[in-house]
Amino acid sequence: GDSVTQMEGPVTLSEEAFLTINCTYTATGYPSLFWYVQYPGEGLQLLLKATKADDKGSNKGFEATYRKETTSFHLEKGSVQVSDSAVYFCALSGTSGGYNKLIFGAGTRLAVHP
Amino acid sequence: GAGVSQSPSNKVTEKGKDVELRCDPISGHTALYWYRQSLGQGLEFLIYFQGNSAPDKSGLPSDRFSAERTGGSVSTLTIQRTQQEDSAVYLCASSLQGASFGYTFGSGTRLTVV
Repeated sequence: GDSVTQMEGPVTLSEEAFLTINCTYTATGYPSLFWYVQYPGEGLQLLLKATKADDKGSNKGFEATYRKETTSFHLEKGSVQVSDSAVYFCALSGTSGGYNKLIFGAGTRLAVHP
Repeated sequence: GAGVSQSPSNKVTEKGKDVELRCDPISGHTALYWYRQSLGQGLEFLIYFQGNSAPDKSGLPSDRFSAERTGGSVSTLTIQRTQQEDSAVYLCASSLQGASFGYTFGSGTRLTVV
C-alpha cells in the first residue's frame, strides 16, 4: 500500500543553519504531497503542499518540490530560527483500505538552538 | 466554528473505564477523520466519516473502539474498557474537499490510562 518514509530525528541545528528533512513516498496514482508541522503542545498545522509533479510548495521560508522521478518531497529552509523547533510530518493523499486519506510519515523532530 | 474543536483536551482515566472523546469539525466540512498519535510515533489512522456514514473503519484497533457522527457535524470516539496501551493523543481532522486538499486538525485529546 501507499506509504511515506522520512528521515529519523531528532535533527539538531544552530540558528541560521540550513535545514533539509528528507521524505520519500510509495504510491499508486498521482498523490498530493504535504508537510505538516506540530509545535509543542499543539495540533498539526498544514505547512505546505504540492498537488502535481514539479510543483513547489512554500510557506514561512520553507519549501519542498514534488519530484516524481525520485518519489521525494524533501523539506528545506535556508536559515532556521529557534521558533522553527517542532515536529515535522510528511504526508501524501493516498489510497489505503480502498479510501483516499492522508498517510503520514513517522515525523522528524527539529530542535534549533540559539 | 472557526476551527476544529476537540474536548476534553486532557483525560486521565482508570484502566477498565469507558471514555468518550468529542470532535466538533469546521462547519460545512463533510469529511471527518480520527487519528491516534502514540508517544514518539507517527499518526495512525482510525476512522473516516463522510457525512454521518463511516465507509472506512479499517484503522480501529479493536472492537473496544467505536465512533459515531450525528447531523453531519459532531463526532464522538468511544473507547470501552480502556487499557494502558490506549494512552495516546487522539486527533480529529475535517476537510471540505477530501484528502487531496489536506485536512484541518484539532488540537487533540491527550488520553492517559492509569
